[in-house]
Amino acid sequence: GENVEQHPSTLSVQEGDSAVIKCTYSDSASNYFPWYKQELGKGPQLIIDIRSNVGEKKDQRIAVTLNKTAKHFSLHITETQPEDSAVYFCAASIPGEGGSARQLTFGSGTQLTVLP
Amino acid sequence: DTEVTQTPKHLVMGMTNKKSLKCEQHMGHRAMYWYKQKAKKPPELMFVYSYEKLSINESVPSRFSPECPNSSLLNLHLHALQPEDSALYLCASSQTGTSETQYFGPGTRLLVL
Repeated sequence: GENVEQHPSTLSVQEGDSAVIKCTYSDSASNYFPWYKQELGKGPQLIIDIRSNVGEKKDQRIAVTLNKTAKHFSLHITETQPEDSAVYFCAASIPGEGGSARQLTFGSGTQLTVLP
Repeated sequence: DTEVTQTPKHLVMGMTNKKSLKCEQHMGHRAMYWYKQKAKKPPELMFVYSYEKLSINESVPSRFSPECPNSSLLNLHLHALQPEDSALYLCASSQTGTSETQYFGPGTRLLVL
C-alpha cells in the first residue's frame, strides 16, 4: 500500500519567515495530495491540495509543489504569522479500484510553531 | 459551506457503557468516513460509507458499530470499550466515495475509564 513520509516532525520559525514542510510518497498511482492544518482541539482543516497533473499551486501565502518523478511534494508558507502555529498533515490518495472509495494515507505530521 | 458537525464534543464513558457518536453534513455528500486519532498521530481510517452502504471496514473491533441512517447522518455506536480506545474520533465527508476531497468535522474527544 501507499506510504507517506513527512519531515520535519517539528519546525520553529520567527514570525515573518517562511516555513517548508516536505513529504514523499511511495505509490506512483497516487494522484491527489491534500494538506491539512489541525489546531489544538480541532479537526483537520483542508488548506490546499494539488492534483498530479499540476506542478505547483498557490493560494495567498500558501503554496504546494509536486515533483511526480521524485515522488515528493512540499508545503510552503510565506510571511508566517502566530496563527499559522498548528500541526500540518500531508496526505496522498490513490483512485479506488473498480470505483471503490478513495483512501487518504497521511504523513506523520509537522508541529509548526511561529515565534512572535 | 463545507461544514461537518459532530456531537457530543466530549464524552466520558465506562467500559460497560453504551454510547453513540453522531455526525451530520448538509453538503449533499454521499460518502462519509469515521477516523480515530490518537494524540500526536495522524488520523486512522475506521469505516467508509458510500451511498449509505458500508464500503470499507478497516478491521475495526466489533465494539465499534457504524450506522448510516441516511445520506446526511453517520453514527458510531460504542459498546464495551477499552481504555486504549480513548482518542479523538473524527467524521469526514466527500462528494462521493471516489471524490478526492474530504472535509473533516471537529471531532469527539472520547475518554474511556
